[in-house]
Amino acid sequence: QITLKESGPTLVKPTQTLTLTCTFSGFSLSSKTDGVGWIRQPPGKALEWLALIYWNDDKDYSPSLKSRLTITKDTSKNQVVLTLTNIDPVDTATYFCAHRTWPAAYFDYWGQGTLVTVSS
Amino acid sequence: QSALTQPASVSGSPGQSITISCTKTSSDVGDFNYVSWYQHHPGKAPKVMIYDVRNRPSGVSNRFSGSKSGNTASLTISGLRAEDEADYYCSSYTTSSTLFYVFGSGTKVTVL
Repeated sequence: QITLKESGPTLVKPTQTLTLTCTFSGFSLSSKTDGVGWIRQPPGKALEWLALIYWNDDKDYSPSLKSRLTITKDTSKNQVVLTLTNIDPVDTATYFCAHRTWPAAYFDYWGQGTLVTVSS
Repeated sequence: QSALTQPASVSGSPGQSITISCTKTSSDVGDFNYVSWYQHHPGKAPKVMIYDVRNRPSGVSNRFSGSKSGNTASLTISGLRAEDEADYYCSSYTTSSTLFYVFGSGTKVTVL
């Protein structure tokens, strides 16, 4: 059974760097076909895809946020880390991590999300 | 504004059928052949209900069905139940753009 759980700060000050961790079980990111992505949802707004990392360390980023995002994986810890630099109040959102079984075109398992508020 | 437009809300009585539309409004979405639908009960993990326009993952009730016509994809829920009350999001995947995943604006389904 695949599970994912997001963790990180609940409150971040503007201009700081946000670091979020996705800890997962039920699969290994060293196995071909597995990928983990991040998606966020600002309060009352639509979901927004942010980034994806695959078993072979290939990475994809949302073009609008690419300059501020970094996604990495720690296979030994079963974790994926997302960093977002120069954070702003518009980055206030619930951040989800989710699993993708390549080449399927959808996210088959999601975490419950973690709410991050950006405020001074 | 999302490149995939959904109605803000849809409601129905138990046992009825409802349909949620998802209209492509931007070329960022690509060819719109890989449409998926997610059910989200607030505070819980989103769940995929339909993938590749019309396919149901194992374990998803056959009361959920997907279709597409032109630039509009649809999710139909038949035999509406109280537990179907949730937010529903469509999503499109494409490799013709670097914006690989686009999500719809979301639809709140209310069971009256």
